[in-house]
Amino acid sequence: ILNVEQSPQSLHVQEGDSTNFTCSFPSSNFYALHWYRWETAKSPEALFVMTLNGDEKKKGRISATLNTKEGYSYLYIKGSQPEDSATYLCALNYGGSQGNLIFGKGTKLSVKP
Amino acid sequence: ETGVTQSPTHLIKTRGQQVTLRCSSQSGHNTVSWYQQALGQGPQFIFQYYREEENGRGNFPPRFSGLQFPNYSSELNVNALELDDSALYLCASSASFGGRSPSGANVLTFGAGSRLTVL
Repeated sequence: ILNVEQSPQSLHVQEGDSTNFTCSFPSSNFYALHWYRWETAKSPEALFVMTLNGDEKKKGRISATLNTKEGYSYLYIKGSQPEDSATYLCALNYGGSQGNLIFGKGTKLSVKP
Repeated sequence: ETGVTQSPTHLIKTRGQQVTLRCSSQSGHNTVSWYQQALGQGPQFIFQYYREEENGRGNFPPRFSGLQFPNYSSELNVNALELDDSALYLCASSASFGGRSPSGANVLTFGAGSRLTVL
Protein backbone atom coordinates (compact mmCIF):
# COMPACT_ATOMS: atom_id res chain seq x y z
CA ILE A 1 0.00 0.00 0.00
CA LEU A 2 1.47 3.33 -1.05
CA ASN A 3 1.39 5.89 1.72
CA VAL A 4 2.10 9.60 1.55
CA GLU A 5 2.92 11.14 4.92
CA GLN A 6 2.85 14.84 5.67
CA SER A 7 4.21 16.54 8.76
CA PRO A 8 3.42 18.37 10.84
CA GLN A 9 -0.34 17.86 10.82
CA SER A 10 -0.86 21.51 11.77
CA LEU A 11 1.29 24.55 12.30
CA HIS A 12 0.66 27.92 13.92
CA VAL A 13 3.10 30.73 13.13
CA GLN A 14 3.27 34.49 13.49
CA GLU A 15 3.15 36.82 10.52
CA GLY A 16 6.66 37.23 9.17
CA ASP A 17 7.91 33.82 10.32
CA SER A 18 9.37 31.47 7.75
CA THR A 19 8.20 27.91 7.87
CA ASN A 20 8.54 24.58 6.16
CA PHE A 21 6.80 21.25 6.07
CA THR A 22 7.54 17.79 4.80
CA CYS A 23 6.02 15.23 2.47
CA SER A 24 7.45 11.69 2.72
CA PHE A 25 6.72 8.86 0.33
CA PRO A 26 7.98 5.48 -0.89
CA SER A 27 10.94 6.51 -2.97
CA SER A 28 10.68 4.22 -5.94
CA ASN A 29 8.85 4.36 -9.22
CA PHE A 30 6.76 7.44 -8.90
CA TYR A 31 6.08 9.73 -11.82
CA ALA A 32 5.47 13.13 -10.28
CA LEU A 33 4.91 14.92 -7.00
CA HIS A 34 2.28 17.63 -6.74
CA TRP A 35 1.77 20.32 -4.11
CA TYR A 36 -1.66 21.92 -3.71
CA ARG A 37 -2.81 24.81 -1.55
CA TRP A 38 -6.36 24.59 -0.21
CA GLU A 39 -8.06 27.50 1.48
CA THR A 40 -11.21 26.80 3.46
CA ALA A 41 -14.37 26.78 1.32
CA LYS A 42 -12.37 27.12 -1.89
CA SER A 43 -10.90 24.74 -4.47
CA PRO A 44 -7.48 23.14 -4.06
CA GLU A 45 -5.05 25.18 -6.14
CA ALA A 46 -1.98 23.69 -7.79
CA LEU A 47 1.33 25.12 -6.57
CA PHE A 48 4.02 22.91 -8.05
CA VAL A 49 4.57 19.69 -9.95
CA MET A 50 7.99 18.11 -9.70
CA THR A 51 9.39 15.03 -11.34
CA LEU A 52 13.19 14.96 -11.10
CA ASN A 53 15.49 14.36 -8.17
CA GLY A 54 16.86 17.71 -7.07
CA ASP A 55 14.00 19.67 -8.62
CA GLU A 56 13.44 23.07 -7.03
CA LYS A 57 10.44 25.21 -7.83
CA LYS A 58 9.55 28.70 -6.65
CA LYS A 59 6.45 30.87 -6.80
CA GLY A 60 6.81 34.16 -4.98
CA ARG A 61 7.56 33.44 -1.31
CA ILE A 62 6.80 29.73 -1.66
CA SER A 63 9.33 27.18 -2.84
CA ALA A 64 9.65 23.41 -2.91
CA THR A 65 12.40 20.84 -3.27
CA LEU A 66 12.32 17.17 -4.18
CA ASN A 67 14.59 14.30 -3.14
CA THR A 68 13.44 11.17 -4.91
CA LYS A 69 16.27 8.97 -3.63
CA GLU A 70 15.33 9.45 0.00
CA GLY A 71 11.63 9.95 -0.65
CA TYR A 72 10.79 13.43 0.58
CA SER A 73 9.79 16.90 -0.54
CA TYR A 74 9.95 20.10 1.45
CA LEU A 75 7.66 23.11 1.02
CA TYR A 76 9.02 26.41 2.32
CA ILE A 77 7.16 29.65 2.94
CA LYS A 78 9.31 32.71 3.53
CA GLY A 79 7.85 35.56 5.60
CA SER A 80 4.43 33.99 6.18
CA GLN A 81 1.40 36.22 5.72
CA PRO A 82 -2.16 35.68 7.04
CA GLU A 83 -3.30 34.96 3.47
CA ASP A 84 -0.96 31.94 3.45
CA SER A 85 -3.28 30.26 5.96
CA ALA A 86 -4.50 27.11 4.23
CA THR A 87 -4.05 23.37 4.11
CA TYR A 88 -1.09 22.31 1.98
CA LEU A 89 -1.54 18.94 0.30
CA CYS A 90 1.14 16.74 -1.21
CA ALA A 91 0.16 14.11 -3.79
CA LEU A 92 2.01 11.58 -5.89
CA ASN A 93 1.28 10.03 -9.25
CA TYR A 94 2.66 6.51 -9.61
CA GLY A 95 1.61 6.09 -13.22
CA GLY A 96 -1.54 4.83 -14.86
CA SER A 97 -4.33 7.34 -14.94
CA GLN A 98 -3.02 10.87 -14.73
CA GLY A 99 -5.83 11.75 -12.39
CA ASN A 100 -4.85 9.01 -9.95
CA LEU A 101 -3.05 10.99 -7.29
CA ILE A 102 -2.31 9.58 -3.87
CA PHE A 103 -2.71 12.40 -1.37
CA GLY A 104 -1.32 12.92 2.08
CA LYS A 105 -3.59 14.24 4.82
CA GLY A 106 -2.15 17.71 4.48
CA THR A 107 -0.51 20.28 6.74
CA LYS A 108 -2.85 22.96 8.04
CA LEU A 109 -1.03 26.29 8.37
CA SER A 110 -2.44 29.17 10.43
CA VAL A 111 -0.64 32.50 10.27
CA LYS A 112 -1.51 35.00 13.01
CA PRO A 113 -1.25 38.72 12.25
CA GLU B 1 -11.50 30.67 -18.95
CA THR B 2 -13.98 29.09 -16.57
CA GLY B 3 -12.84 26.82 -13.79
CA VAL B 4 -14.34 23.59 -12.53
CA THR B 5 -17.83 23.92 -11.10
CA GLN B 6 -19.63 21.34 -8.99
CA SER B 7 -23.23 20.99 -7.93
CA PRO B 8 -24.86 20.78 -5.52
CA THR B 9 -22.55 22.31 -2.92
CA HIS B 10 -24.28 20.58 -0.02
CA LEU B 11 -26.86 17.84 0.24
CA ILE B 12 -28.33 15.52 2.81
CA LYS B 13 -29.50 12.00 2.05
CA THR B 14 -30.61 9.03 4.09
CA ARG B 15 -29.04 5.60 4.14
CA GLY B 16 -30.07 3.46 1.17
CA GLN B 17 -30.84 6.39 -1.10
CA GLN B 18 -29.03 7.26 -4.31
CA VAL B 19 -27.22 10.49 -5.13
CA THR B 20 -25.93 12.17 -8.29
CA LEU B 21 -23.21 14.81 -8.16
CA ARG B 22 -22.32 16.95 -11.16
CA CYS B 23 -19.14 18.52 -12.45
CA SER B 24 -18.38 20.88 -15.32
CA SER B 25 -14.76 20.68 -16.39
CA GLN B 26 -12.51 23.61 -17.16
CA SER B 27 -12.60 24.86 -20.72
CA GLY B 28 -10.10 22.92 -22.84
CA HIS B 29 -9.91 19.96 -20.46
CA ASN B 30 -10.99 16.50 -21.62
CA THR B 31 -10.39 14.33 -18.55
CA VAL B 32 -12.29 14.30 -15.27
CA SER B 33 -11.32 12.64 -12.00
CA TRP B 34 -13.39 12.24 -8.85
CA TYR B 35 -12.11 12.14 -5.29
CA GLN B 36 -13.68 11.45 -1.90
CA GLN B 37 -12.37 13.28 1.14
CA ALA B 38 -13.59 11.86 4.43
CA LEU B 39 -13.11 13.83 7.63
CA GLY B 40 -9.48 13.98 8.67
CA GLN B 41 -8.22 12.24 5.55
CA GLY B 42 -6.62 13.31 2.31
CA PRO B 43 -8.63 13.07 -0.90
CA GLN B 44 -8.95 9.49 -2.21
CA PHE B 45 -9.14 8.73 -5.92
CA ILE B 46 -12.46 7.21 -6.98
CA PHE B 47 -12.12 7.07 -10.78
CA GLN B 48 -11.21 8.96 -13.92
CA TYR B 49 -13.14 9.48 -17.15
CA TYR B 50 -11.70 10.14 -20.57
CA ARG B 51 -13.65 10.08 -23.82
CA GLU B 52 -16.79 9.15 -21.93
CA GLU B 53 -15.24 5.97 -20.53
CA GLU B 54 -13.83 5.07 -17.17
CA ASN B 55 -10.07 4.57 -17.56
CA GLY B 56 -8.82 4.30 -14.03
CA ARG B 57 -10.41 3.39 -10.72
CA GLY B 58 -9.43 3.48 -7.07
CA ASN B 59 -10.52 1.12 -4.32
CA PHE B 60 -14.24 1.90 -4.39
CA PRO B 61 -17.14 -0.55 -4.77
CA PRO B 62 -19.28 -0.77 -7.93
CA ARG B 63 -22.09 1.24 -6.34
CA PHE B 64 -19.87 4.23 -7.14
CA SER B 65 -20.32 4.87 -10.84
CA GLY B 66 -19.90 7.74 -13.21
CA LEU B 67 -20.58 9.23 -16.57
CA GLN B 68 -18.79 11.64 -18.83
CA PHE B 69 -20.66 13.56 -21.50
CA PRO B 70 -19.55 14.76 -24.95
CA ASN B 71 -18.92 18.24 -23.52
CA TYR B 72 -16.55 16.59 -20.97
CA SER B 73 -18.79 17.32 -17.99
CA SER B 74 -19.27 14.43 -15.62
CA GLU B 75 -21.53 12.87 -13.01
CA LEU B 76 -20.74 10.77 -9.99
CA ASN B 77 -23.53 8.41 -8.89
CA VAL B 78 -23.57 6.58 -5.61
CA ASN B 79 -26.23 3.92 -4.99
CA ALA B 80 -27.36 2.39 -1.71
CA LEU B 81 -25.81 5.14 0.36
CA GLU B 82 -24.07 4.19 3.57
CA LEU B 83 -23.25 6.37 6.55
CA ASP B 84 -19.52 6.16 5.66
CA ASP B 85 -20.25 7.79 2.30
CA SER B 86 -20.59 11.10 4.16
CA ALA B 87 -17.71 13.13 2.77
CA LEU B 88 -16.63 15.97 0.53
CA TYR B 89 -16.58 14.86 -3.11
CA LEU B 90 -14.12 16.69 -5.31
CA CYS B 91 -14.04 16.78 -9.07
CA ALA B 92 -10.87 17.65 -10.98
CA SER B 93 -10.29 18.17 -14.68
CA SER B 94 -7.16 18.06 -16.79
CA ALA B 95 -6.04 17.99 -20.39
CA SER B 96 -4.55 14.71 -21.50
CA PHE B 97 -3.94 12.37 -24.36
CA GLY B 98 -5.46 8.99 -23.83
CA GLY B 99 -6.29 9.86 -20.23
CA ARG B 100 -2.68 9.33 -19.33
CA SER B 101 0.33 11.50 -18.88
CA PRO B 102 3.73 9.91 -19.43
CA SER B 103 5.19 11.93 -16.61
CA GLY B 104 2.12 12.03 -14.34
CA ALA B 105 2.80 15.73 -14.24
CA ASN B 106 -0.38 17.16 -15.70
CA VAL B 107 -1.87 19.64 -13.26
CA LEU B 108 -5.39 18.92 -12.03
CA THR B 109 -7.85 21.79 -11.68
CA PHE B 110 -10.25 21.13 -8.82
CA GLY B 111 -13.75 22.27 -8.06
CA ALA B 112 -14.79 23.39 -4.58
CA GLY B 113 -16.57 20.11 -3.89
CA SER B 114 -19.98 18.74 -2.99
CA ARG B 115 -20.49 17.94 0.66
CA LEU B 116 -22.68 14.89 1.15
CA THR B 117 -24.17 13.99 4.51
CA VAL B 118 -25.80 10.59 4.88
CA LEU B 119 -28.13 10.19 7.85
